[in-house]
Amino acid sequence: NAGVTQTPKFQVLKTGQSMTLQCAQDMNHNSMYWYRQDPGMGLRLIYYSASEGTTDKGEVPNGYNVSRLNKREFSLRLESAAPSQTSVYFCASSWDTRTFGNQPQHFGDGTRLSIL
Amino acid sequence: LAKTTQPISMDSYEGQEVNITCSHNNIATNDYITWYQQFPSQGPRFIIQGYKTKVTNEVASLFIPADRKSSTLSLPRVSLSDTAVYYCLVGENNYGQNFVFGPGTRLSVLP
Repeated sequence: NAGVTQTPKFQVLKTGQSMTLQCAQDMNHNSMYWYRQDPGMGLRLIYYSASEGTTDKGEVPNGYNVSRLNKREFSLRLESAAPSQTSVYFCASSWDTRTFGNQPQHFGDGTRLSIL
Repeated sequence: LAKTTQPISMDSYEGQEVNITCSHNNIATNDYITWYQQFPSQGPRFIIQGYKTKVTNEVASLFIPADRKSSTLSLPRVSLSDTAVYYCLVGENNYGQNFVFGPGTRLSVLP
């Protein structure tokens, strides 16, 4: 049982390049999330998908797009990478809290992204 | 949005009990209190969640007073492997602005 799997684990990009971060979960969860974590700070929510077929902006959505490909997969795309997007990106999943009440999130181990 | 305040860092020694307090003065009626643990180079891991009074699991206890304006995570007899950042979150659900990770408390357990 892998839980939440993120690929790649590390990536270096040049300014202006595009990239898609992949996330897949095998827990049959309804909801999925993308966060970024900058050094010494907590996590900030970029986008979330409460259920398959829906996506919504979080706290810091600018410069990112997401796709909920199916129930298992939720991808994050940087169309034109900027140095300010250098960060560690975490994907998470949970049961739909609107249906099941407040539910804990399960996180992947992150993608470390550097943009030069 | 219920804002939380935690100590930035704490030190402890192996075998001691550690209590980390989180203040959330504007907690709403439907908000739950959730704690996560994060080790370096890993994603956060759920520890415990509660609404009121006391909750205990195999890892920790969570104490919530009647007014719910604060909560205390209690880690019994910590070991070196408990060195991590601990986050307190308050919210009704996991979505959007309702669920915000602050900078957390960096716990260092010393031998």
